[in-house]
Amino acid sequence: AQSVAQPEDQVNVAEGNPLTVKCTYSVSGNPYLFWYVQYPNRGLQFLLKYITGDNLVKGSYGFEAEFNKSQTSFHLKKPSALVSDSALYFCAVRDLPNYQLIWGAGTKLIIKP
Amino acid sequence: DGGITQSPKYLFRKEGQNVTLSCEQNLNHDAMYWYRQDPGQGLRLIYYSQIVNDFQKGDIAEGYSVSREKKESFPLTVTSAQKNPTAFYLCASSSEGYSPLHFGNGTRLTVT
Repeated sequence: AQSVAQPEDQVNVAEGNPLTVKCTYSVSGNPYLFWYVQYPNRGLQFLLKYITGDNLVKGSYGFEAEFNKSQTSFHLKKPSALVSDSALYFCAVRDLPNYQLIWGAGTKLIIKP
Repeated sequence: DGGITQSPKYLFRKEGQNVTLSCEQNLNHDAMYWYRQDPGQGLRLIYYSQIVNDFQKGDIAEGYSVSREKKESFPLTVTSAQKNPTAFYLCASSSEGYSPLHFGNGTRLTVT
């Protein structure tokens, strides 16, 4: 069965430091992976996706994600964290053949000044 | 601006009452979705529709109903059969294939 795991409920980072939010997946075929961000009491916003091609995917707000097929991971990264990056981050994988998204449980990112 | 509008933002109902959540999009997207979000559980799919007048059950459809009479609209009714309806409900839409989902800002439903 297809699945997504976000092993950390919460990640704490000091402002200006690099950040990583982890995501691992399990799929039977080629993975189609997504990252979304959610601010309090708001809907989710799309950050980036991996369909095929370069393993390093660049997205919105300076975020990027590294696809690693051997480790079945798709970690979200940013070189220098901002306090405004504090939010809930979701990783998702497309479930073939019905194209529905399977969601991780989310990781709360807290950036401290 | 194109987007998805969910209304109302907050909704309060008494137990035993049906309630309908509105979702409208002007993105010209074919597919629309309803998700339920509970703390620590991520998003769970309630219903989705890929075309007008057609919809499919998601993982937790029991106690919910939908309609898709127009491309722009996908209302969700939370019926009295839903045992634990208090939650944050998110509507989303997408064009096709591997396109990302666009989300509304959600409706927080509280049933007492």
